Amino acid sequence: AQSVTQLDSQVPVFEEAPVELRCNYSSSVSVYLFWYVQYPNQGLQLLLKYLSGSTLVKGINGFEAEFNKSQTSFHLRKPSVHISDTAEYFCAVRDHYGGATNKLIFGTGTLLAVQP
Amino acid sequence: SAVISQKPSRDICQRGTSLTIQCQVDSQVTMMFWYRQQPGQSLTLIATANQGSEATYESGFVIDKFPISRPNLTFSTLTVSNMSPEDSSIYLCSAWTGTSMNTEAFFGQGTRLTVV
Repeated sequence: AQSVTQLDSQVPVFEEAPVELRCNYSSSVSVYLFWYVQYPNQGLQLLLKYLSGSTLVKGINGFEAEFNKSQTSFHLRKPSVHISDTAEYFCAVRDHYGGATNKLIFGTGTLLAVQP
Repeated sequence: SAVISQKPSRDICQRGTSLTIQCQVDSQVTMMFWYRQQPGQSLTLIATANQGSEATYESGFVIDKFPISRPNLTFSTLTVSNMSPEDSSIYLCSAWTGTSMNTEAFFGQGTRLTVV
């Protein structure tokens, strides 16, 4: 079964510094990859997605992620963070050939804590 | 894109009672998904709901505890039965929209359930 690993449960970073949130998935089959953000007491918002094509994906709020098939990774990056980026970030994966279920499997989440 | 409306947004319930959560999508979708997010944790898939058939439950979740209805292509309900404090969580519904070349999972805002 597909699984997603986010090794860092919390990433503290100073404002305007760069940040990378790591995500690895288990399966080598063709997959769709997603990053979602959840601000405190709010729902999930899609940051970006990789379905096919260019391995470098750009999303909202200045975030980008790079799909690396050989390393089964999809790390999220931002060159300069703001206080407002403080939130929980979830990596998620779905098998490309989802068949009857098209399940979206989530990682455990990474809390990005931006400090002034 | 899709808009998913969920209600209630929050509730406080007595142990031993049941709560039914409603989820309405503004377009027809084949499958709808129900997730649970326990405090401070990630999203765990409870079940997949197809219109016209019984829901498919993930390991650790059973129909007697979480009965699901899917009467049409835009609506689903999840009931949390015989509640205990351990059921205190955020429950979210989700649906995929778009084509295989441009697909995305949308989420409702969630139902924040507290069992006392």
